[in-house]
Amino acid sequence: QKEVEQNSGPLSVPEGAIASLNCTYSDRGSQSFFWYRQYSGKSPELIMSIYSNGDKEDGRFTAQLNKASQYVSLLIRDSQPSDSATYLCAAPEQGGKLIFGQGTELSVKP
Amino acid sequence: AAGVIQSPRHLIKEKRETATLKCYPIPRHDTVYWYQQGPGQDPQFLISFYEKMQSDKGSIPDRFSAQQFSDYHSELNMSSLELGDSALYFCASSFRQGAGDTQYFGPGTRLTVL
Repeated sequence: QKEVEQNSGPLSVPEGAIASLNCTYSDRGSQSFFWYRQYSGKSPELIMSIYSNGDKEDGRFTAQLNKASQYVSLLIRDSQPSDSATYLCAAPEQGGKLIFGQGTELSVKP
Repeated sequence: AAGVIQSPRHLIKEKRETATLKCYPIPRHDTVYWYQQGPGQDPQFLISFYEKMQSDKGSIPDRFSAQQFSDYHSELNMSSLELGDSALYFCASSFRQGAGDTQYFGPGTRLTVL
């Protein structure tokens, strides 16, 4: 079974700063990756999906994928207190089920 | 836009009782996934259905069963409940196009077993 690894944090950044969240994966054949945001007691909410090497930007969020290094990251620019949540990195296995990392807790301080 | 619907949102049961969780996928989505998330843990895959047929099975206890109906809604049936079954149960749906289909999660059902 593939593995997805994240630093559990907590990661604390001041309001307005860039938050950088990192994820590594074990299966070199993985083709797609997803970042979900999860507030405490709530369901995972899709933030970004990325399939190709390089960067993908959506508003304040940028996902970066480096397949050679088996590394995917999420940058959050101009971090806001409302961004404080747990961020889950996920990769699908055969059949589509998602394998999640343990999540990184982000705290944005006003 | 329509989202995944789950019911009930909260459920309290006694040990050894049964529970039924329901999931209504996003319209035109053909695949449903069930995940279990314990406190402080990441979601763990239980079972999935594609076009009303079971497509994959994860770490789902034999006490649990599930199915997908003709209208694509799915139900997770849990019997002989144990204290350790207390968790958040999420349903996610997707439209199958190949590897890496985007899954959208429902709000979840919080199950508490006393």
